[in-house]
Amino acid sequence: AQSVTQLDSQVPVFEEAPVELRCNYSSSVSVYLFWYVQYPNQGLQLLLKYLSGSTLVKGINGFEAEFNKSQTSFHLRKPSVHISDTAEYFCAVSGDSGSSNTGKLIFGQGTTLQVKP
Amino acid sequence: ETGVTQSPTHLIKTRGQQVTLRCSSQSGHNTVSWYQQALGQGPQFIFQYYREEENGRGNFPPRFSGLQFPNYSSELNVNALELDDSALYLCATRRLTLSTDTQYFGPGTRLTVL
Repeated sequence: AQSVTQLDSQVPVFEEAPVELRCNYSSSVSVYLFWYVQYPNQGLQLLLKYLSGSTLVKGINGFEAEFNKSQTSFHLRKPSVHISDTAEYFCAVSGDSGSSNTGKLIFGQGTTLQVKP
Repeated sequence: ETGVTQSPTHLIKTRGQQVTLRCSSQSGHNTVSWYQQALGQGPQFIFQYYREEENGRGNFPPRFSGLQFPNYSSELNVNALELDDSALYLCATRRLTLSTDTQYFGPGTRLTVL
């Protein structure tokens, strides 16, 4: 079984400050990892994904995440946030291409990023 | 834009009724998954269809069923609606390849059960 824990339900931060949204996962198989963003009354947009290779993954809108297998973490970071980054962020895991769970995304509870002026 | 559309945008039903939600995706996206997102929660996997057959299911009862059509559209059907079925329903589509697993989400259908 797989599970995802997002360690912070809300993260308030001032504009132009750095931010880190924390995500830990558990899985008995190799995984793919994802971060999605959801703006109010919208669907999910993919920010970035880790499938294999380099553990530092760069995504859209200046976000990046680092896969740490030993700590089973996939934290999301941005060096300088904007008001427009205010949204709900979801970390998700799925089994890799050799798994029967590939394509089935398991999501965390979400982290609300509140960027203040 | 993900190229994935869902209809209707909003829907209000009463307990015990049946509902059909629709999803349309890009050409070539042969896999569709449906998710339920309750208010304040992360999405939960309902089931996945590949080449018009169900090939994975989450912890949802049989009154949740689906169909996938050759034209890359799909449906989610829910029978005997319960109050707890009130949620945002998301479909996600992808082209199954060996090297990528990106799913593209639609904007969702907000279902309210009274």
